Amino acid sequence: AQSVSQHNHHVILSEAASLELGCNYSYGGTVNLFWYVQYPGQHLQLLLKYFSGDPLVKGIKGFEAEFIKSKFSFNLRKPSVQWSDTAEYFCAAGINTDKLIFGTGTRLQVFP
Amino acid sequence: DAMVIQNPRYQVTQFGKPVTLSCSQTLNHNVMYWYQQKSSQAPKLLFHYYDKDFNNEADTPDNFQSRRPNTSFCFLDIRSPGLGDAAMYLCATSRKTGLDQPQHFGDGTRLSIL
Repeated sequence: AQSVSQHNHHVILSEAASLELGCNYSYGGTVNLFWYVQYPGQHLQLLLKYFSGDPLVKGIKGFEAEFIKSKFSFNLRKPSVQWSDTAEYFCAAGINTDKLIFGTGTRLQVFP
Repeated sequence: DAMVIQNPRYQVTQFGKPVTLSCSQTLNHNVMYWYQQKSSQAPKLLFHYYDKDFNNEADTPDNFQSRRPNTSFCFLDIRSPGLGDAAMYLCATSRKTGLDQPQHFGDGTRLSIL
């Protein structure tokens, strides 16, 4: 079955540390990939997306993600996190249909 | 300004008592989605409307139904809630269907079952 896996369930970092959140999908065909962020008490917001072209995608607030087709991965990165990045991060894939398949999310806590 | 509005934010109902969750949007989007998100799990699509066309996911229980009386509003009806239906329910919209269309989410309604 098609699925999206986020192996890091809870990540704790200090400010200025670098961040990488893993995302893997299981599907051999064309996929569109997304990262959504949910700040405490707020709704899910689109952080960045990949459809085609340059596999390195830049999003808002200094985030970027790299699509590596051979690894079925779309990891999210940020060189230096801030306290305001504390949130839950969801990877999602649009696979073959109009449906988004979400991962279970990674809770990021950043301490000053 | 909130563009996808879900009411109420918190809903408590009794086991077996029908409940309706509402969603409205100011974006004039064609597509409206309902997701169920249980604790520590991924949001799971229940169904979506493209205009008036209803699209049910194969594994959505019959207990869950939806209505879309007009472009702006969409309702989620749970006919006989069970304890396992306690979850966050998310409404989302997109301008049209297609993998390149970002979805805009509401704040969700957290449903508790007594």
